[in-house]
This record gives sequence, structure tokens and C-alpha cells, in this order.
Amino acid sequence: DAGVTQSPTHLIKTRGQQVTLRCSPKSGHDTVSWYQQALGQGPQFIFQYYEEEERQRGNFPDRFSGHQFPNYSSELNVNALLLGDSALYLCASSFRRGVSPLHFGNGTRLTVT
Amino acid sequence: AQKITQTQPGMFVQEKEAVTLDCTYDTSDPSYGLFWYKQPSSGEMIFLIYQGSYDQQNATEGRYSLNFQKARKSANLVISASQLGDSAMYFCAMRETPRGQNFVFGPGTRLSVLP
Repeated sequence: DAGVTQSPTHLIKTRGQQVTLRCSPKSGHDTVSWYQQALGQGPQFIFQYYEEEERQRGNFPDRFSGHQFPNYSSELNVNALLLGDSALYLCASSFRRGVSPLHFGNGTRLTVT
Repeated sequence: AQKITQTQPGMFVQEKEAVTLDCTYDTSDPSYGLFWYKQPSSGEMIFLIYQGSYDQQNATEGRYSLNFQKARKSANLVISASQLGDSAMYFCAMRETPRGQNFVFGPGTRLSVLP
């Protein structure tokens, strides 16, 4: 039973560039959430996708956008990268209904230079 | 306003001893869930234990138990018989409603288990 998979594992980008991160949820899960974790801090909620729509969004600018595909996989896009966007980006999947813990992938480490 | 507080940036425990990691939370919603996650140096977030606000008994999962004191709004994680592999960051998190999917995480506690 495959868990949450994310790609790539590491990424180095230059300020002003754009980046796309990918996530495949745990088998059977229908909801994907994205979190940003800066060094030494807890994860911060970016947004959540269910039925291919953004359902909830945290306090992140419009430079952060996403997409969910019919197979429940998801992408996180960040435009006009800033140095402060350097972080570990975590994808988490869950069931929409009932009490469901988040199941996380190993994350993508983004470095903006 | 910070909704999850973890006041212990770092903790040390001797192998085979028990350790308590503190977590307090703030919410006005009567229905919420509390979660603990472990994050080793590899970066993956591992779900450990869950406590619902209406649960009458404290949650337990193997060596992990949650000391839930609703009136004090605390949800401390107790790890019994610590092992070297328990060395990691530990995060307390809250989801405020059964349908809310937004988890709010605390700043974490770094646990180091000494041989």
C-alpha cells in the first residue's frame, strides 16, 4: 500500500523563477493538503484540495496556487520565488469524511538563491 | 493568536525512562481533534496518536499515551520506555471541527534520548 509520494525531493531555484511540486496521495484518500515548513518551525497550512477544487486556504499570497487532478494527485505552484520561500513543502492526504489524521509525504526541500 | 503552544523547545530523556511532552491549545469550538506527530531528521511527519474533544478516555497507542485535560486545554504526550529511535521533533496539532481540514501545528519539541 503506497503512502504519500512527493517529487522532487530537492530543488534549487533562483529568485523570480517559478516552481511546480507534485504529490500523489495515499491510496484511497480523496483530500490533499499542502504545508510549508520553515527551518525550525511547525508546518503552516497553505491550502487544501478536494474534488479538484481548492476548499480551504491559509494565509499565503496568490503566488501560491495549486491543482488537483481526477486521480486525486496534486500540484503546488509557486510563482515569482522569493528567498523566504525556501522551506520544506509537505503534502498530506486524508479522507474528507470522518476523523482522519493527515498522512504526510517526505516533502520537497526547496532552496531559493 | 497562537492556537497551539509547546513550551519545551528541547527535552532530554534517558533511554528506557518515560517522558512527557507538553501541549496546550486554544479554541472556542466545542468539537475538535488533537494529534501528535513525530518528525525524524529525515523530514517525514509520522502520525502517532489522536484525541477527540468528546472522548471520555485518554488515547493510547502502544508506548504513546495522551494525557488529555480538557478544562485546562492541555494534551500532553507521554512516551513510555524511551528508545534511541524516539529522538526526533514532536509536533502537537489541532483540527477545530470535524469537517475542518486545516490542521494547526505547534512549534514543536526536540526530544533527545540518551543512551
